[in-house]
Parts: sequence; structure tokens; C-alpha cells
Amino acid sequence: KAGVTQTPRYLIKTRGQQVTLSCSPISGHRSVSWYQQTPGQGLQFLFEYFSETQRNKGNFPGRFSGRQFSNSRSEMNVSTLELGDSALYLCASSLRRGQGLTEAFFGQGTRLTVV
Amino acid sequence: DQQVKQNSPSLSVQEGRISILNCDYTNSMFDYFLWYKKYPAEGPTFLISISSIKDKNEDGRFTVFLNKSAKHLSLHIVPSQPGDSAVYFCAASGTSYDKVIFGPGTSLSVIP
Repeated sequence: KAGVTQTPRYLIKTRGQQVTLSCSPISGHRSVSWYQQTPGQGLQFLFEYFSETQRNKGNFPGRFSGRQFSNSRSEMNVSTLELGDSALYLCASSLRRGQGLTEAFFGQGTRLTVV
Repeated sequence: DQQVKQNSPSLSVQEGRISILNCDYTNSMFDYFLWYKKYPAEGPTFLISISSIKDKNEDGRFTVFLNKSAKHLSLHIVPSQPGDSAVYFCAASGTSYDKVIFGPGTSLSVIP
């Protein structure tokens, strides 16, 4: 069974640009969560999607948005990039909600560098 | 304000000894706690969890202890092995449907 696939793996963007990251969950998984990892901050929750609907949202500005498609694939978009957006963005998928991430599987992440 | 804290950014332990990783939380509404392990260039993987109705959960070499009154939990690894060298994240949620809040992580090095 294929794991969680995040594309691209690495990305360099300029301040002010926008970026779209993609996450393909494990086949059959319907819940996708996104996290931002920066040194010293751990993994900060961005949002969770289930059945194409945003179910939870973290404390990030509106420049961060996401969506989920009918095949459960998810994208997150960051507009007007800032230097502080440089981070590893991780996606986690699980079969259903209500599992507290015990049965969630993380992708390898997309390393975004904003210059 | 960090709701989940791991005050030790790094820890070094000799192979065969016990590794103790600590985690403190501030939100008394948290009732479900998890530990994740992360190797470089890989996503985090779930290690062990504990709900607030328990004070201990054991899985092989890994044991998590929860002290609700102190809002403190710890992960014990016995015996520690070089393959345990990784970053360990403590995480908590209010309910199983709630978002999961992660701590900043502790980098464990097990020295052969």
C-alpha cells in the first residue's frame, strides 16, 4: 500500500509569491491534516479536512488556505509568502476522524524556503 | 503561548540505559496524549498514546506515564538502543475529534 505522498519535496520561492503544496493520502483515507514544522516550534496545526470539508483550523493567517478534493487529495496554498513561512509542511492522513492521530500516517513533507 | 512544552531540546543517553523524555502541558482540557518519533527526512510516526483515565501505558520498551494533577507526562525507553536516536514529539488533544497540539520536540541521541 502506497504511503502518503507530498509534492514537491523541496521548493524555493521569493517573498510575495504564492505556493501550492499537494498531499495524496493513503488510498481509502478520508481525513487529511496539515502541519507546519519550524525549529523550536514543533508541529503547528494548520487545518484538517474530511470529506472535502474543513473540520478544524489552527491559528494561522488567512494567507494559508486549503482544500480537499473528492478523491481525498488535498492542497494547501500560501499567498503573499513571507520569510517566516520557510518551514517543513507535513500532511497526515487517516481513515476516519476521531482517532486523535493514533492511526494517522505522515508524509515526508515539503520543505519550503522563502528567499 | 505554547500549550505543550518539552523543555529539553536534546538528550544524550548511553545504549542500554533508560531514556526519559518529559512533557508538560497547560490546558486542563487535554485528555488524550501521544508521542511521535521523527527521523531526519521522514514524517513523524506514532509511537504510543495515553488517555487521561490512565496513568500508565506500556508497549514493549516504551512506557508513557501521565500525572494529571501536575499536567506532566513522560516517555520512558528501556533499554535505549542506537536506533531510538530521533526527535520525539509530545502531543495532546481535548477530544479524539479535536486538533492535536504538538510540543517543540526533544532530540534523543543514544550513544553506542
